[in-house]
Amino acid sequence: EAGVAQSPRYKIIEKRQSVAFWCNPISGHATLYWYQQILGQGPKLLIQFQNNGVVDDSQLPKDRFSAERLKGVDSTLKIQPAKLEDSAVYLCASSLGGTRDEQFFGPGTRLTVL
Amino acid sequence: AQSVTQLDSQVPVFEEAPVELRCNYSSSVSVYLFWYVQYPNQGLQLLLKYLSGSTLVKGINGFEAEFNKSQTSFHLRKPSVHISDTAEYFCAVRDGANNLFFGTGTRLTVIP
Repeated sequence: EAGVAQSPRYKIIEKRQSVAFWCNPISGHATLYWYQQILGQGPKLLIQFQNNGVVDDSQLPKDRFSAERLKGVDSTLKIQPAKLEDSAVYLCASSLGGTRDEQFFGPGTRLTVL
Repeated sequence: AQSVTQLDSQVPVFEEAPVELRCNYSSSVSVYLFWYVQYPNQGLQLLLKYLSGSTLVKGINGFEAEFNKSQTSFHLRKPSVHISDTAEYFCAVRDGANNLFFGTGTRLTVIP
């Protein structure tokens, strides 16, 4: 079974530029999560989707971050414009959808904002 | 609200020695606890989880953890570590919406 796929794996941009990350969850997984992991910290949830609807985006900085999950499969996370403090690893995870389901994580996208 | 505290940011240990990584939690709802491992440049991999039942939970790679409700702890242990166990370990608690709240991590370094 293929795991969660993310691209790109690494991205370097200048501050105030825009960037987008892509995630393809495990086939059949209804729930998709985006986490931000700043160096030296644990992952922090940004947004949770159930199919193509948003379940929780309370921690998403909506002035610059946006995310969508069209057709309830792939998802993109966008930052516009980026700030220095956005430098982090962005992790995507997916689960079948039940409240007791395990989350499976992708390898992450490492973003560096200069 | 849910939160997790990992008091040890770094734990060095000699190969074949035992290790314990500490985790304390705070939760206002039913407690679901997890330990994840993260190898360099990789995503998180589930080591073990406590959802209910026996308080001693066994996971992959010879790791185990014990849920202690009175001490609000979920410490991770391994009786004999290997070089390949060198990694970052994260404790996490889950809320009713299946959202995970992670600690700041413990870097385990196994010394040959």
